[in-house]
Amino acid sequence: GNSVTQMEGPVTLSEEAFLTINCTYTATGYPSLFWYVQYPGEGLQLLLKATKADDKGSNKGFEATYRKETTSFHLEKGSVQVSDSAVYFCALSSSNTGKLIFGQGTTLQVKP
Amino acid sequence: GAGVSQSPSNKVTEKGKDVELRCDPISGHTALYWYRQRLGQGLEFLIYFQGNSAPDKSGLPSDRFSAERTGESVSTLTIQRTQQEDSAVYLCASSPGGGTGANVLTFGAGSRLTVL
Repeated sequence: GNSVTQMEGPVTLSEEAFLTINCTYTATGYPSLFWYVQYPGEGLQLLLKATKADDKGSNKGFEATYRKETTSFHLEKGSVQVSDSAVYFCALSSSNTGKLIFGQGTTLQVKP
Repeated sequence: GAGVSQSPSNKVTEKGKDVELRCDPISGHTALYWYRQRLGQGLEFLIYFQGNSAPDKSGLPSDRFSAERTGESVSTLTIQRTQQEDSAVYLCASSPGGGTGANVLTFGAGSRLTVL
């Protein structure tokens, strides 16, 4: 069946460091891929998405490229801020129903 | 409303009791979802409603779990005879439904359930 695997956290970085959170997936067909973020005390919100191979999703300085050859969708940011501290979830959908399969989440802590 | 509202935000109950969790989706969103998030784990899909179609209940873990939705508005998730393993945050989400917009979910803040 379909699944998503993320790197385990927590990831602790200093402000302005480079961020990578790895995400790989297993799916039949051509899923859409997503990163959702959960800030402390808030609900999950969509950060970025990509719907086909080689697409790059980007938002708020974060980027992720849909790599079908490596079945990956790694999240990157060139310079993190304290305000980026949150839990990041990678997810996929193999249909247009909104029925998402999530990874286990990766906690990011950014220290000043 | 402006966002997805869930209530209660916190619920502590005794093993064996029934609980009801409520979700009020964004006005106009035809699709509504329930997910469960256990401590330190990812989100598990529970159930999906789309308009007047029969709901997709494939994620419900047992027959103690059920959900209803009134038209395209409020939904209630009911857990009967709660067990300690039901302790989790229950998240509701809604989306416009249909096409690529269906996969852009807006989540509520969740209802944290603790079963003693």
